[in-house]
Amino acid sequence: SYEVTQPPSVSVSPGQTASITCSGDKLGDRFACWYQQKPGQSPVLVIYQDTKRPSGIPERFSASNSGNTATLTISGTQAMDEADYYCQTWDNRQSKVVFGGGTKLTVL
Amino acid sequence: EVQLVDSGGGLVQPGGSLRLSCAASGFTFSDHYMDWVRQAPGKGLEWVGRTRNKANSYTTEYAASVKGRFTISRDDSKSSLYLQMNSLKTEDTAVYYCARVGIFTGYPAEDDAFDIWGQGTMVTVSS
Repeated sequence: SYEVTQPPSVSVSPGQTASITCSGDKLGDRFACWYQQKPGQSPVLVIYQDTKRPSGIPERFSASNSGNTATLTISGTQAMDEADYYCQTWDNRQSKVVFGGGTKLTVL
Repeated sequence: EVQLVDSGGGLVQPGGSLRLSCAASGFTFSDHYMDWVRQAPGKGLEWVGRTRNKANSYTTEYAASVKGRFTISRDDSKSSLYLQMNSLKTEDTAVYYCARVGIFTGYPAEDDAFDIWGQGTMVTVSS
């Protein structure tokens, strides 16, 4: 079955750029999206259809998806961005949603 | 306000059953595919399953871990989504979220993202 892999953790200093990767076989051939989840809260969509930001999501959130890797980039990272981030795609062969294992972003 | 409200969680013994509900408001529920996603304590997100809309015959899909035990249904007249969980196991312990598949291109697509989530309801399977 199709799988996508994320690093368990990423650290970044305030004001710097954070990059979180999501890897899967030919992931660039399918849509990827990203969710932010803070402790005790429901996930929030931050990127859909590879690169698009829903209304209300700050411009510092951007993303790309090419080859085998999708990347979420947070520019000028703020303390409020500290959260778990999940990538997600669709497995067309098995008709199922696939989540990455999640990446804990620490802003220190 | 666009909103999903999950309910029905609780403590149940292994082998037991539970029915979760998700009440939608603020949007045309019948247009959307709707999913259930769960999260075990301290773990990541796990997809449970999907129900498509009437135009797609309300067909369903399930994760292998729940297939044959869980059933997803919907009542468009009540803007409600349901998850019937039978033969529950301790490993089903999790927060269960209902989630709306967004319509970003004018029609529902399988590979679109979850743009609205419920607040979650906790299910604990334990003796």
